Amino acid sequence: GQQVMQIPQYQHVQEGEDFTTYCNSSTTLSNIQWYKQRPGGHPVFLIQLVKSGEVKKQKRLTFQFGEAKKNSSLHITATQTTDVGTYFCAGPTKTSYDKVIFGPGTSLSVIP
Amino acid sequence: DTGVSQNPRHKITKRGQNVTFRCDPISEHNRLYWYRQTLGQGPEFLTYFQNEAQLEKSRLLSDRFSAERPKGSFSTLEIQRTEQGDSAMYLCASSFRTGEGSPLHFGNGTRLTVT
Repeated sequence: GQQVMQIPQYQHVQEGEDFTTYCNSSTTLSNIQWYKQRPGGHPVFLIQLVKSGEVKKQKRLTFQFGEAKKNSSLHITATQTTDVGTYFCAGPTKTSYDKVIFGPGTSLSVIP
Repeated sequence: DTGVSQNPRHKITKRGQNVTFRCDPISEHNRLYWYRQTLGQGPEFLTYFQNEAQLEKSRLLSDRFSAERPKGSFSTLEIQRTEQGDSAMYLCASSFRTGEGSPLHFGNGTRLTVT
């Protein structure tokens, strides 16, 4: 079946360093969403990308959707302790536009 | 807009007992989703509704799981004859369907522990 994969599983960075997580789907996606889950919290929607090659920025966060619409990345510049959490990518399945499946997430730790 | 509300926040039950969780979505949202999340994993899709219609149910779910959304408002998720493997966080999310995908708004979840 369709799979959404993310690497790395864990990332520990020094505060001020950059961070990147990569998301890959086994099938072409119509759109991709990114969520952040703080420790003990629930996933919170960050952004959605729809177009091939699309790049969106939110302050220090840069999101990119691949040209083939099968991969995506999230890059954080100059991490802060408030960036701690798990970042998930999610996308609709091939057979059901509204059924959203999540990747396993990348857990980010920031050392002050 | 008070967000998605889930009750109870925690549930401890003995193996073999039935449990029921409730989710109240954001009022104007027509889509409601149930996910299950275990430690270190991403949310795993269980089922979703558009208004009162259950549109899809994961094949991973056994017949012990059932969900309802009467009148297209709140939803309940029932697990019958619970097993220890059912221990997880059960997350509800709602969305307002648009043409290009709809962001999911999650509740705080119900943490189930089966002893």
